[in-house]
Amino acid sequence: GQSLEQPSEVTAVEGAIVQINCTYQTSGFYGLSWYQQHDGGAPTFLSYNGLDGLEETGRFSSFLSRSDSYGYLLLQELQMKDSASYFCAVRWDSSYKLIFGSGTRLLVRP
Amino acid sequence: EPEVTQTPSHQVTQMGQEVILRCVPISNHLYFYWYRQILGQKVEFLVSFYNNEISEKSEIFDDQFSVERPDGSNFTLKIRSTKLEDSAMYFCASRRASGGGPNEQFFGPGTRLTVL
Repeated sequence: GQSLEQPSEVTAVEGAIVQINCTYQTSGFYGLSWYQQHDGGAPTFLSYNGLDGLEETGRFSSFLSRSDSYGYLLLQELQMKDSASYFCAVRWDSSYKLIFGSGTRLLVRP
Repeated sequence: EPEVTQTPSHQVTQMGQEVILRCVPISNHLYFYWYRQILGQKVEFLVSFYNNEISEKSEIFDDQFSVERPDGSNFTLKIRSTKLEDSAMYFCASRRASGGGPNEQFFGPGTRLTVL
């Protein structure tokens, strides 16, 4: 089976740093992706980790530890527009299909 | 910037009716996907499609579902006899074959299907 765990909700203030964790238990694993989804919108790709370590893309960074079945998304210099849901998604096998977590709703306050 | 498009944005249908959801993937992409998201829940994989055939499908994708690439641009999802529990947002996604960002799936804006 497959399961991904992430916090349901996180609140932070504008300008702060927030970390959204994701732990997974899947029978197959190729890599971990992160997607952002605003209310009523489509998921938008943020990052992908296929190997252990940190990937940095502007204000967003993502980390993976395959031995711990754990990853996180780090958002720096939070802006109001970052208020959205963030999903971790496992690339489960060579087909590139994605198995999504339940999502973390991030609320950025002024 | 190229994007995935989907039509209609909202489809309302009666239980038992057939619906066809349409997608136009990004033109140089070769891998296509359908996902669905029931309101307030996570995104769920339905089916992947490559080289004019299904490469993988989930247990949700039963005999009531089918996909087709009728021409060089469209990618469709058909539900033969809709059920109330089919009400969801349906997302089409596409992916490059290789090169930069093969792991990035580009999602369309979705079709909200409401079954009454």
